[in-house]
Amino acid sequence: AQSVAQPEDQVNVAEGNPLTVKCTYSVSGNPYLFWYVQYPNRGLQFLLKYITGDNLVKGSYGFEAEFNKSQTSFHLKKPSALVSDSALYFCAVRDPYNFNKFYFGSGTKLNVKP
Amino acid sequence: DTAVSQTPKYLVTQMGNDKSIKCEQNLGHDTMYWYKQDSKKFLKIMFSYNNKELIINETVPNRFSPKSPDKAHLNLHINSLELGDSAVYFCASSQSVSNQPQHFGDGTRLSIL
Repeated sequence: AQSVAQPEDQVNVAEGNPLTVKCTYSVSGNPYLFWYVQYPNRGLQFLLKYITGDNLVKGSYGFEAEFNKSQTSFHLKKPSALVSDSALYFCAVRDPYNFNKFYFGSGTKLNVKP
Repeated sequence: DTAVSQTPKYLVTQMGNDKSIKCEQNLGHDTMYWYKQDSKKFLKIMFSYNNKELIINETVPNRFSPKSPDKAHLNLHINSLELGDSAVYFCASSQSVSNQPQHFGDGTRLSIL
């Protein structure tokens, strides 16, 4: 079975500092990985994806993620956090044998303090 | 233009009632989904339809019945509502190819009194 894990319920960073939100995956086959952000009272919004190619993927709002096959990780990063980045972040993997199925992590709440 | 829209945004009702939530997408996607997000923010897949055909049906009480009149619409009808049904229900859509993400509606917050 496919799965993703987000080991941190919450991440706290100061504005201007770099941030990392962790995600590890377990997939039999090629991993198709995604990050989403959820602001209060809103649906999930797509941030970025890894399908194949460069291990460093750039996405919306200055976010990037690094795919590491040996560590089976896909951590979300941003060089300089903004207060407006405070939100709930979800990692997801698409089932490589059933493209209609996605598996989501439990979410990580990012708090950026001024 | 809203890509995935759900109505209503809020639904407050009594236990035992029957209610429906509607979802429409204008992205031309072939697959639509219903997710349930509980108070701890866990997202759980409920159903998925591909071109109007049911393809994913997770362990959901049969009080929940999805209906897809066409590939742009996926509705969710819930019979005999229970307290445990209180949650936020999200509709999503995607194209069934590997590199395409899902697009989500803004959710329907269901509160059972």
